Amino acid sequence: DAKTTQPPSMDCAEGRAANLPCNHSTISGNEYVYWYRQIHSQGPQYIIHGLKNNETNEMASLIITEDRKSSTLILPHATLRDTAVYYCIVRVAISNFGNEKLTFGTGTRLTIIP
Amino acid sequence: DAGVTQSPTHLIKTRGQQVTLRCSPKSGHDTVSWYQQALGQGPQFIFQYYEEEERQRGNFPDRFSGHQFPNYSSELNVNALLLGDSALYLCASSSKKQGANNQPQHFGDGTRLSIL
Repeated sequence: DAKTTQPPSMDCAEGRAANLPCNHSTISGNEYVYWYRQIHSQGPQYIIHGLKNNETNEMASLIITEDRKSSTLILPHATLRDTAVYYCIVRVAISNFGNEKLTFGTGTRLTIIP
Repeated sequence: DAGVTQSPTHLIKTRGQQVTLRCSPKSGHDTVSWYQQALGQGPQFIFQYYEEEERQRGNFPDRFSGHQFPNYSSELNVNALLLGDSALYLCASSSKKQGANNQPQHFGDGTRLSIL
């Protein structure tokens, strides 16, 4: 799986959009970009994933550059409950057994400031 | 719709003992993966079970073993516990039967294992 690079920490004011970058310059054509977050003392929570098109769901938007070497997770209106560690992961989509391992880095610690 | 459930939530053991952790996958899921998360680190993949067989394994010694039951639930067993085994153990489930192989894994809140 391709490695990802994320800033170790970021701050964002409550109510503003939080934009979390991720570099994955060695991503392969069959690898998806996944985002998870982990609030203290809880398990990782799935947020969103995508291949090459921008994606949006009720939690966030995912913007993937045209060359797919980087992506940005956008939380449109950050709240205090969005304070967490955010992980960007790339993972092969197709495997013999369907679901390959997730390789986590150290993520970005996002702090929402009141 | 129950999510992934793990038991117990906390556990304290001493060096040399063995431990069994349990996981019930999200309804409709058939694949279970286990991860170890040391303090301040991201989760590390231990192994994955599908159709009651270990399908993929991370860089963990044979002291770590597992099992998947016909109802898709799973156990993680760790023998000869070491101080370094103290960690949060996470279970994640997913579905192969949903067709597309990009389905996300969903995590439980883990078992916090402390070794004294």
